This record gives sequence, structure tokens and C-alpha cells, in this order.
Amino acid sequence: GENVEQHPSTLSVQEGDSAVIKCTYSDSASNYFPWYKQELGKGPQLIIDIRSNVGEKKDQRIAVTLNKTAKHFSLHITETQPEDSAVYFCAASGSARQLTFGSGTQLTVLP
Amino acid sequence: EAQVTQNPRYLITVTGKKLTVTCSQNMNHEYMSWYRQDPGLGLRQIYYSMNVEVTDKGDVPEGYKVSRKEKRNFPLILESPSPNQTSLYFCASSPGQGKSSPLHFGNGTRLTVT
Repeated sequence: GENVEQHPSTLSVQEGDSAVIKCTYSDSASNYFPWYKQELGKGPQLIIDIRSNVGEKKDQRIAVTLNKTAKHFSLHITETQPEDSAVYFCAASGSARQLTFGSGTQLTVLP
Repeated sequence: EAQVTQNPRYLITVTGKKLTVTCSQNMNHEYMSWYRQDPGLGLRQIYYSMNVEVTDKGDVPEGYKVSRKEKRNFPLILESPSPNQTSLYFCASSPGQGKSSPLHFGNGTRLTVT
């Protein structure tokens, strides 16, 4: 089945700097790659997703890039703000019936 | 407001005492799913349902049961809880089939089994 590895597990950045979280996947049949943000005490919430026919997608300060050849995709957050502090999860669709999630990244934005 | 509602938010129980965690969604989604979240392991799927009366095992189904008698409800049942089921549980729903559509998560149920 699909295996998704996510790095780093923790990330601290200064407010205003950029943050990058990387994920690799194993199943070449994966064609959907969402990113979820989990704030303290809440459930994960979709922040951006990308499909395999697109190499990059942006939404204001958030962008996701996909390299299908290398089987990795990344989340980029620019001009980080304290409210960006949260746990971020990547996921990949795989050839099995359901999504496989990464292990999560705790992002802390320092004021 | 469109949402997925889980109850209870916190639950402390003893080994072997049957419990049910409820999940309800008001978005008319066909797909619903249960996940458990453990430190360093991310979100692992327990069971999912593609529609009423259709359920299937996820990656970690042992010790859990589910039912889908109505479209809006998808309860998670632990018939004989054990300490290794202490975890944070999330219910989710999706307008698609879950694999390639956005998931809407509830706010979680933190379960402690002693």
C-alpha cells in the first residue's frame, strides 16, 4: 500500500520567514495530494490540495509543489504569522481505496 | 452551519466497558470515516463508509465496530476497550468518495482507557 513520509516532525521559524514541509510517497498511482492544518483542540482542516496533472498551486501565502518523478510534494508558507502555528499533515491517495496521511509537522512561528 | 459533530469530546473509561462515540454530519455527505491520531503516527483510518449500510475496514480496524443505518450518523463502537485504544479519535465526512475529495473533520474525542 501507500507509504507517506513527512519531514520535519517539528519546525520553528521566525515570524515573517518562510516555512517548508516535505512529503514523499511510494505509490506511483497516487494522484491527489491534500494538506491539512490542525489547530490545538480542533480537527484537521483542508488548506490546499493538488492533483497530479498540476505541478504547483498557490493560494495567497500558501503553495504546494508536486514532483511526480521524484514522488515528493511540499507545502510552502510565506510571510509566516503566529496564527500559522499548528500541526500540518500531508496525505496521498495511492492505489488503495483511501488516503494515507503523513505523521505530521508541528510548526511554531516565533514572534 | 455545515459541520461534523462528535460526542463526547472527552471520555475516560475502564478496560472492557463497552462504549460508543457518536458522529453526525449535516452536509448530506455519502462518505464518512473514523481515524485515530497517535503521536508520531499521524492519522490512521479505522473504518469508513461509502454510503448507508456500506462499511469497510481501514488500516487499524481491530477492536472497533461501526454502523451506518442513516446517512448522517456513523457511530464508532468499542465493545471491549483496552488501554491500547487510548487515543484521539476523529470522524470525517466527504462529498466524494474520500480518496480524492476534501475531508471535513469533527473536533475529536479524546479517549482514555484505564
